[in-house]
Amino acid sequence: QKEVEQNSGPLSVPEGAIASLNCTYSDRGSQSFFWYRQYSGKSPELIMFIYSNGDKEDGRFTAQLNKASQYVSLLIRDSQPSDSATYLCAVFYSSASKIIFGSGTRLSIRP
Amino acid sequence: GAGVSQSPSNKVTEKGKDVELRCDPISGHTALYWYRQSLGQGLEFLIYFQGNSAPDKSGLPSDRFSAERTGGSVSTLTIQRTQQEDSAVYLCASSLAQGDYGYTFGSGTRLTVV
Repeated sequence: QKEVEQNSGPLSVPEGAIASLNCTYSDRGSQSFFWYRQYSGKSPELIMFIYSNGDKEDGRFTAQLNKASQYVSLLIRDSQPSDSATYLCAVFYSSASKIIFGSGTRLSIRP
Repeated sequence: GAGVSQSPSNKVTEKGKDVELRCDPISGHTALYWYRQSLGQGLEFLIYFQGNSAPDKSGLPSDRFSAERTGGSVSTLTIQRTQQEDSAVYLCASSLAQGDYGYTFGSGTRLTVV
């Protein structure tokens, strides 16, 4: 099992709809979880972090964490074409003292 | 500085030459990381520096790759005898403490080996 696993996509969502991005991880001891957005030709940018079970909302973005299921998700409401990017799920592995990144899900918002 | 600064932004080199890539982390960030990203691929971890501890070099792909961090701040990634497969974007990131609050990435150095 990969340490951080994501569907590579592409995920195509119509403008205005909800985009749902999912991620699973293997380390039960992980406590810190992140979502990065990477536009084509740019570097990754941290957009959300979550430490506790449940939901965390920031504007149109909601991060969801379920530690029992080792599952993290990112919901983007009212999707806009500017949301088209690759989204990287990342988990801090205390055993390795570093963040492990998933390979990313490519999201495309169609007008 | 305000962000993680990398230089040069672009580098074209001939196969077999050595190259040096520089990273200047955010002031006060004790941890510094190097990643490599080939076209259309995910992030490949290379090396990690944390304070005065020995670096984690577990991701370096071969002994042609090395990195140092002087004075706990600026880092240089050196690639000796470059090969075409070394062509990629090299990203540097820094963080407070161990990074459990997340990393901040620089804008990267695009390396092309011809």
